[in-house]
Amino acid sequence: QVQLMESGGGLVKPGGSLRLSCAASGFTFTDYHMSWIRQAPGKGLEWLSSIPSTSTYTRYADSVKGRFTISRDNARNSLYLQMNSLRADDTAVYYCARGRYDGSADYWGQGTLVTVSP
Amino acid sequence: DVVMTQSPLSLPVTLGQSASFSCRSSQSLVYSDGNTYLDWFQQRPGQSPRRLIYKVSTRDSGVPDRFSGSGSGTDFTLKISRVEAEDVGVYYCMQGTHWPYTFGQGTKLEIK
Repeated sequence: QVQLMESGGGLVKPGGSLRLSCAASGFTFTDYHMSWIRQAPGKGLEWLSSIPSTSTYTRYADSVKGRFTISRDNARNSLYLQMNSLRADDTAVYYCARGRYDGSADYWGQGTLVTVSP
Repeated sequence: DVVMTQSPLSLPVTLGQSASFSCRSSQSLVYSDGNTYLDWFQQRPGQSPRRLIYKVSTRDSGVPDRFSGSGSGTDFTLKISRVEAEDVGVYYCMQGTHWPYTFGQGTKLEIK
């Protein structure tokens, strides 16, 4: 069955960095676009970044552009999000999601919590 | 950015009755390929979001046919006929036509 397992979240100080990972299984990873979407505590959903199977382009929301970098390793069936210059308003559960096309998210992981606090 | 506005924000419904969720976008969601990339997600308490409907009206695999989506352009609706207890949660619409992709603020379905 399809599994997306995020890891790498935790507590980090403002200005710090974290690298999130998403391990995919149960499907052909190279058939799918992958994305990161986050949800601040008690809030709604924000689509952060997307990458196609061939990594030919990447997309970023303005809120993270220049600070976050999405990447994937198709040989390892893994998706990553490098997060630098973290701010308090980056505190959220971060989900990875797959989609057949850019802008689709048919399956989500369980999420990993990132807390940015002194 | 495209603003997605959902209403109502809270929807109390009696078990077995129907529920209707509205979603309006600040601009047309028709893409240059002719498709309309408007999806609906359900987030049950303590769970990750689950996609129910994509491209306005196509149900995802395993989604009961009690769920249906409709609409066009900027005005969209999700309907649940015969609400069940397991339907409790927050429902989000999302547009995947214009980057950045954006979600509505969500409608919370609760049982009366």
